[in-house]
Amino acid sequence: EIVMTQSPATLSVSPGERATLSCRASQSVNNNLAWYQQKPGQAPRLLIYGASTRATGIPARFSGSGSGTEFTLTISSLQSEDFAVYFCQQCDNWPRTFGQGTKVEIK
Amino acid sequence: QVQLQESGPGLVRPSQTLSLTCTVSGDSISSGSYYWNWIRQPAGKGLEWIGRIYISGSTNYNPSLKSPVTLSLDTSKNQFSLNLKSVTAADTAVYYCARGGSHHPFLAFDVWGLGTTVIVSS
Repeated sequence: EIVMTQSPATLSVSPGERATLSCRASQSVNNNLAWYQQKPGQAPRLLIYGASTRATGIPARFSGSGSGTEFTLTISSLQSEDFAVYFCQQCDNWPRTFGQGTKVEIK
Repeated sequence: QVQLQESGPGLVRPSQTLSLTCTVSGDSISSGSYYWNWIRQPAGKGLEWIGRIYISGSTNYNPSLKSPVTLSLDTSKNQFSLNLKSVTAADTAVYYCARGGSHHPFLAFDVWGLGTTVIVSS
């Protein structure tokens, strides 16, 4: 199976600052990479699919980039509602696999 | 608006079978545009994909699961189900059902249920 590795595990950011999250795949997943946001007690919410396409209703401050094995999620200016855990997931091979998550917390 | 809702017992005895159902509204599981998935998340941990089923009946399961898994569809009720046999405490988790695209690039899980907590304990 493809192993997804996210870094850092925790990111401390002040409101209004930029956050950059990384995700690495153990082999190429082409651009079949998704990002999800999860808040406590809630189901994950799809943010980005196809590595760089925002899902319906997702604000423009969220952007994704990368292809192959290296991917990045950028939140350009963190809002209070953005403090959460973010997961990447490869959609290229079965079984689908997720990274272990990056927690974005208030600095 | 597409919605998914998990249902099933919240407590399962060890070595028994965990059975959950996901009811889909606002979309037809027979449409052929999506896979129907189960994902779980132990408390405080990450997400683990369990398996998926397509309208044709084809399935994929996560080979890392220790408990035998079976997914099934009931098109008359617009539902799909999960059976996890011989469960242990390690199967305690929040279980989510989710819709996943079947055509590139729409392959991600775009709609999720709220999740249901299952505890395996005697």
